[in-house]
Amino acid sequence: DTGVSQNPRHKITKRGQNVTFRCDPISEHNRLYWYRQTLGQGPEFLTYFQNEAQLEKSRLLSDRFSAERPKGSFSTLEIQRTEQGDSAMYLCASSSQATQYFGPGTRLLVL
Amino acid sequence: QKEVEQDPGPLSVPEGAIVSLNCTYSNSAFQYFMWYRQYSRKGPELLMYTYSSGNKEDGRFTAQVDKSSKYISLFIRDSQPSDSATYLCAMTAGDGGSQGNLIFGKGTKLSVKP
Repeated sequence: DTGVSQNPRHKITKRGQNVTFRCDPISEHNRLYWYRQTLGQGPEFLTYFQNEAQLEKSRLLSDRFSAERPKGSFSTLEIQRTEQGDSAMYLCASSSQATQYFGPGTRLLVL
Repeated sequence: QKEVEQDPGPLSVPEGAIVSLNCTYSNSAFQYFMWYRQYSRKGPELLMYTYSSGNKEDGRFTAQVDKSSKYISLFIRDSQPSDSATYLCAMTAGDGGSQGNLIFGKGTKLSVKP
């Protein structure tokens, strides 16, 4: 399968714990995006990488959130000191042009 | 006013009906327009992509963009129960880079009844 993959698919954690998600983009895509989607809403942009450089971060990305793409391939999104409001689907997308292809998402539930 | 407005529905139609889904937007800089289909608890799947104004057809799906009215549409002909999903419109000002972030509508939940 050459699509975007994300792990884990589901994560349940207790408030205050740290969580980390991984995204493996389509191999030839140099652009990688993270989005967050809550129930009944469309995805909202969080951050963007061109190769290994993080070029933009949304105001939604508080200082508890950090993302990396160390070798310009896979990316990780870490949330520290999780809050119940962080419960959402975290989506990764990759692209080489304007069209973005999404992974299956990681569904996070913070208890 | 949100940048992209989309009626969340739900929309219920009988099998075989023509479905019309729409979005309006306020940012005249948007140039790239997409429709994604999202099944429950899955990631969005790209259906159609259009650059600037005009029509694009792919099988049973037709996407229309009217930049003068800031209005985009997706038509589904001969709708099937398997088309039941949430349809998200998305748009962006640029081809990647900092302008490449997609701005999404809320999504319209479609149900096609057999």
